Amino acid sequence: DAGITQSPRHKVTETGTPVTLRCHQTENHRYMYWYRQDPGHGLRLIHYSYGVKDTDKGEVSDGYSVSRSKTEDFLLTLESATSSQTSVYFCAISEAGRGDTEAFFGQGTRLTVV
Amino acid sequence: GQQLNQSPQSMFIQEGEDVSMNCTSSSIFNTWLWYKQDPGEGPVLLIALYKAGELTSNGRLTAQFGITRKDSFLNISASIPSDVGIYFCAGQPKMEYGNKLVFGAGTILRVKS
Repeated sequence: DAGITQSPRHKVTETGTPVTLRCHQTENHRYMYWYRQDPGHGLRLIHYSYGVKDTDKGEVSDGYSVSRSKTEDFLLTLESATSSQTSVYFCAISEAGRGDTEAFFGQGTRLTVV
Repeated sequence: GQQLNQSPQSMFIQEGEDVSMNCTSSSIFNTWLWYKQDPGEGPVLLIALYKAGELTSNGRLTAQFGITRKDSFLNISASIPSDVGIYFCAGQPKMEYGNKLVFGAGTILRVKS
């Protein structure tokens, strides 16, 4: 298994509170991604990073911010959580080169906003 | 944004049956990937395809990159109970950069009782 650890695995939070999810990798891969998974939508890209301090927005970035200060860590922050952000969040990594689209996923974080 | 149409949405399998699912898009893709997700887990990469017409196997799984570059299919031969789960297609659109993938909504495989 790719060395990807997401924390926490489960979280319940109240509307309006800030939440930070962490993704830690031990593979030294260049690219890191945050996706959310909702029934009927598959996985949708929130933000991604192509190196330390280099990040860009994905398809559903509104309400989310990210930071990558080290190769191994990619943080996703919900500045003020809303019920529509209740979802399962997946971190993924990929390496530069021919297989750079071959993303490997963490086990997910189930976030419930009440 | 880019969309992938994955079908069927769900299907029931009986042990020993062959299974087929596919993904289509209105635009050209550079790469097609197939993932499987078990309950409570993250998706796991099954097969990656890089060239139009490419046919690749991984055990009982076979996937093809459509010649038009707008579709891909996945076949599972002689299905077994552990094949149940959600299968996702994913692709990198031709005009995208930065390795961003677009995912289909998934095909749920269930066991026929």
